Amino acid sequence: EAQVTQNPRYLITVTGKKLTVTCSQNMNHEYMSWYRQDPGLGLRQIYYSMNVEVTDKGDVPEGYKVSRKEKRNFPLILESPSPNQTSLYFCASRAGTGENYGYTFGSGTRLTVV
Amino acid sequence: KQEVTQIPAALSVPEGENLVLNCSFTDSAIYNLQWFRQDPGKGLTSLLLIQSSQREQTSGRLNASLDKSSGRSTLYIAASQPGDSATYLCAVNTGGFKTIFGAGTRLFVKA
Repeated sequence: EAQVTQNPRYLITVTGKKLTVTCSQNMNHEYMSWYRQDPGLGLRQIYYSMNVEVTDKGDVPEGYKVSRKEKRNFPLILESPSPNQTSLYFCASRAGTGENYGYTFGSGTRLTVV
Repeated sequence: KQEVTQIPAALSVPEGENLVLNCSFTDSAIYNLQWFRQDPGKGLTSLLLIQSSQREQTSGRLNASLDKSSGRSTLYIAASQPGDSATYLCAVNTGGFKTIFGAGTRLFVKA
């Protein structure tokens, strides 16, 4: 089944403790992206990647890092999490950026930073 | 700067009713528009993708239209069911790597 898989689904952590949220897709998509979703603010893009070793900042990149060492994986790294990073996070992928390509989303990771 | 607005923010209808959800965008230079469904606390499920060159797409009881010149898209749901209760999001692909999401319409279908 074609899918985007995120882990973990739920995570509670303490301020300052480094964490990684993994994202993997099995569709050989070139383009991957991370979003956070907050009440009243909607979905906001954190980082995106156009291909292996090519990443760029989205609208809200502060406090986050990403890497794309393999085509299928795009982990999100929080080096020193803070309570304002408590949110619902989504990884998404698509085959390209043309008009016939749409997004496939993962199931989400609910992160709580205390 | 592209802005995407969805009206209404919330909608409650009785089962069986046909309904229309609206999505408007400010810049008509788009690559495509995608409609998603999101259940509470869950991921986004793609419903329909309308390419820039298309006017509408259909899937089952769902029909989405696109009018780029007026900056509007509508999602029509026929014969609504309680299982349709969810939040519906539209997303506008402005080209390159930028996709702008609306805030969503929360739909409740009463049995």
